[in-house]
Amino acid sequence: DAGVIQSPRHEVTEMGQEVTLRCKPISGHNSLFWYRQTMMRGLELLIYFNNNVPIDDSGMPEDRFSAKMPNASFSTLKIQPSEPRDSAVYFCASRTGTYNSPLHFGNGTRLTVT
Amino acid sequence: AQSVSQHNHHVILSEAASLELGCNYSYGGTVNLFWYVQYPGQHLQLLLKYFSGDPLVKGIKGFEAEFIKSKFSFNLRKPSVQWSDTAEYFCAVISGGGADGLTFGKGTHLIIQP
Repeated sequence: DAGVIQSPRHEVTEMGQEVTLRCKPISGHNSLFWYRQTMMRGLELLIYFNNNVPIDDSGMPEDRFSAKMPNASFSTLKIQPSEPRDSAVYFCASRTGTYNSPLHFGNGTRLTVT
Repeated sequence: AQSVSQHNHHVILSEAASLELGCNYSYGGTVNLFWYVQYPGQHLQLLLKYFSGDPLVKGIKGFEAEFIKSKFSFNLRKPSVQWSDTAEYFCAVISGGGADGLTFGKGTHLIIQP
């Protein structure tokens, strides 16, 4: 299996621009998670989906952030407009439907907003 | 909401030293506990997990962790570390039912000096 695939690996953009991060979960996994990693806050759960339905988006910092999962094999995290404080590594992870099964992480997208 | 606290943000050890990284969680009910490792420039990988049964769990690469319910702790140990163990280590918890998703500690950055 190819594992969780995220794109792009690196994104550098200017403040105010729209940024879209992409994730393809492992086939057969029906839960998908978006995490943000920073030095200050560590790993923060932004949102997670179960069977393509958003279950908990309380971690999404502001209305500038939105996430979608149009089908079982694809999810996006969009930031519009982006700000320098959004600079972080964004990880996508997936797991099977069993709530205590381990997460499988993608390689992350390193976002830099200048 | 559950929370996870990792006692040390940075740990520096020499090769062959013994390792213990602390982890405490706040949730009082049934929990499932995980340790993840993130090698430099890579994504998070599962090191070990505890669901039930024997509170001493063994993971990959010689790591083990002990669940002590009375202390709300799940400390990670390794009797003799190697230079290749240099990485960031994250403790994570999910409560029974998984309603809150997986909550991570802020991580411990372990540096092993040759």
